[in-house]
Amino acid sequence: EAGVAQSPRYKIIEKRQSVAFWCNPISGHATLYWYQQILGQGPKLLIQFQNNGVVDDSQLPKDRFSAERLKGVDSTLKIQPAKLEDSAVYLCASSLVFGGDQDEQYFGPGTRLTVT
Amino acid sequence: SQKIEQNSEALNIQEGKTATLTCNYTNYSPAYLQWYRQDPGRGPVFLLLIRENEKEKRKERLKVTFDTTLKQSLFHITASQPADSATYLCALDGNYNTDKLIFGTGTRLQVFP
Repeated sequence: EAGVAQSPRYKIIEKRQSVAFWCNPISGHATLYWYQQILGQGPKLLIQFQNNGVVDDSQLPKDRFSAERLKGVDSTLKIQPAKLEDSAVYLCASSLVFGGDQDEQYFGPGTRLTVT
Repeated sequence: SQKIEQNSEALNIQEGKTATLTCNYTNYSPAYLQWYRQDPGRGPVFLLLIRENEKEKRKERLKVTFDTTLKQSLFHITASQPADSATYLCALDGNYNTDKLIFGTGTRLQVFP
């Protein structure tokens, strides 16, 4: 079975520019997550989708970050405008089910963003 | 405040020995805890899940314990191999209604031949 796909793998932008990341989860997985992982830290959840609805976006900086999951499959995460502190790896993950016992999450390789 | 603490210093051990990694948490009441492995430049990979009513879980050379009184989980790798060298992350559920995972900072394990 194919894993979680993400693109691009690397991106370098200047502050105040905008950037978008794309994620294709494992086929059939209802739940999709976007995480931010700063160097030396664990992943921090930004937003969680159940099909195409938002379940949790409490840690998403909504003044600059946005995300959508059209048709309950692929998802995009956008930053506009970027700040230096947004430099991090952005991880997409998916899981099969939602609710009750937590299913394991499958992570993509991530997109490494550098803001200069 | 809520915290998940893992040893920030790398753990260096000799091949064949047992590696033991610690995950302590404060002001959480998790229903379960998960352990993930992360290699450089890659996303985390799920290893084991242990629920609050389980004391111990095993999978091949891996063993996880969960002590809700001590608010601690221990992760053991027996007969460690250089291929086990990676960063190991613990994660617990932060909100039952959303299945939200809260990750620790991870501990880097280095196994020397």
